Amino acid sequence: GENVEQHPSTLSVQEGDSAVIKCTYSDSASNYFPWYKQELGKRPQLIIDIRSNVGEKKDQRIAVTLNKTAKHFSLHITETQPEDSAVYFCAARRRLGNNRLAFGKGNQVVVIP
Amino acid sequence: NAGVMQNPRHLVRRRGQEARLRCSPMKGHSHVYWYRQLPEEGLKFMVYLQKENIIDESGMPKERFSAEFPKEGPSILRIQQVVRGDSAAYFCASSSRIEHEKLFFGSGTQLSVL
Repeated sequence: GENVEQHPSTLSVQEGDSAVIKCTYSDSASNYFPWYKQELGKRPQLIIDIRSNVGEKKDQRIAVTLNKTAKHFSLHITETQPEDSAVYFCAARRRLGNNRLAFGKGNQVVVIP
Repeated sequence: NAGVMQNPRHLVRRRGQEARLRCSPMKGHSHVYWYRQLPEEGLKFMVYLQKENIIDESGMPKERFSAEFPKEGPSILRIQQVVRGDSAAYFCASSSRIEHEKLFFGSGTQLSVL
């Protein structure tokens, strides 16, 4: 099955700086890669996603880049704000699969005011 | 449009009891997924259902665990004879038939087994 790994496990950044989280996947048949944000005690929320036919996608301060050859994709958060502090999960889904999303273990991002 | 609704938010059971977790998908969504989350762990897939059908239950333990999504009513995740190791947060997610890849999560049920 798909194996998804995230690095680093914890990331601290100064408010206003950028944060980058990298995710690697094992199954070259994966074609859909979402990022979820989970604040303490709350539900995971989809913040951005990318498909394998696109190399980059941006939505305001958030962007995701995909490198299919290296089988990794990254979440970029610019001009970080305290409300960006959360756990971020990446996931991958196989093409022609059973629609199951395989999640990484999460990255704790702490934005220091 | 209400989001994915899960209840109860917190459930306390003693070892050997049964736990029933309920999930009502978003309006118009026909796909339901159950995930389990342990502290500092990711979301582990358990089961994927469509109305009246289990599509993939490969992540669910063969014993004591079962799930259903009846034609009418919420999806139910049932854990029989709970043990301490079942303590976790159980999240339900739903998706539409058209955008089936986009999962929308509920607030989860925190199960504590004493």
